[in-house]
Amino acid sequence: EVQLVESGGGLVQPGGSLRLSCAASGFTFSSSSMTWVRQAPGKGLEWVAYIKEDGNDKYYVDSVKGRFTISRDNAKNSLYLQMNSLRVEDTAVYYCARGRVGGVFWGQGTLVTVSS
Amino acid sequence: QSVLTQPPSVSAAPGQKVTISCSGSSSNIGNNYVSWYQQFPGTAPKLLIYENNKRPSGIPDRFSGSKSGTSATLGITGLQTGDEADYYCGTWDSSLSAGFFGGGTKLTVL
Repeated sequence: EVQLVESGGGLVQPGGSLRLSCAASGFTFSSSSMTWVRQAPGKGLEWVAYIKEDGNDKYYVDSVKGRFTISRDNAKNSLYLQMNSLRVEDTAVYYCARGRVGGVFWGQGTLVTVSS
Repeated sequence: QSVLTQPPSVSAAPGQKVTISCSGSSSNIGNNYVSWYQQFPGTAPKLLIYENNKRPSGIPDRFSGSKSGTSATLGITGLQTGDEADYYCGTWDSSLSAGFFGGGTKLTVL
């Protein structure tokens, strides 16, 4: 059974940092490109970042460039999103998904709340 | 502001057909595959259509996708009350080197 399980969300003050993790199982993670997608409360989906299979190519939405870093550890079947200099507008449920713009496999999401 | 434009809402009666449009440009829809997602409140998106018109295993053929030029369309026939959800298109933009989703369309089955 394919599973993507996000963790690491929580409440953080503006300017703070969080590291999200996504544990993958049930498919060949090392052969899969992966994506982070977020959804602010009551809003639509927003693509955040994408990393290719070998981790050498990474892409970001403009609003997070220079603040967020996507990475992966294929030996641990894990995807990460390091989020620094967090802003109130980064508050959202963050999903990891297989593929370049989402795909058939999605996690359940982890909530990040940026508030003082 | 997304590069992909969807109508905020559509509605139709049970049993009827509805279409949801997704408009973009040559750098995104025009030169990349489009996917469509269904999302119920509080749940993760579910892939309905990939590569413009292909359905993953388990998705009924009531759902269809098409693409023409810089626009894509999701069609749903035989509407059921259980189809009430938000629907999103998604694609890659080759000029911006980023992914995008449309703003989402809320489907109401009257």
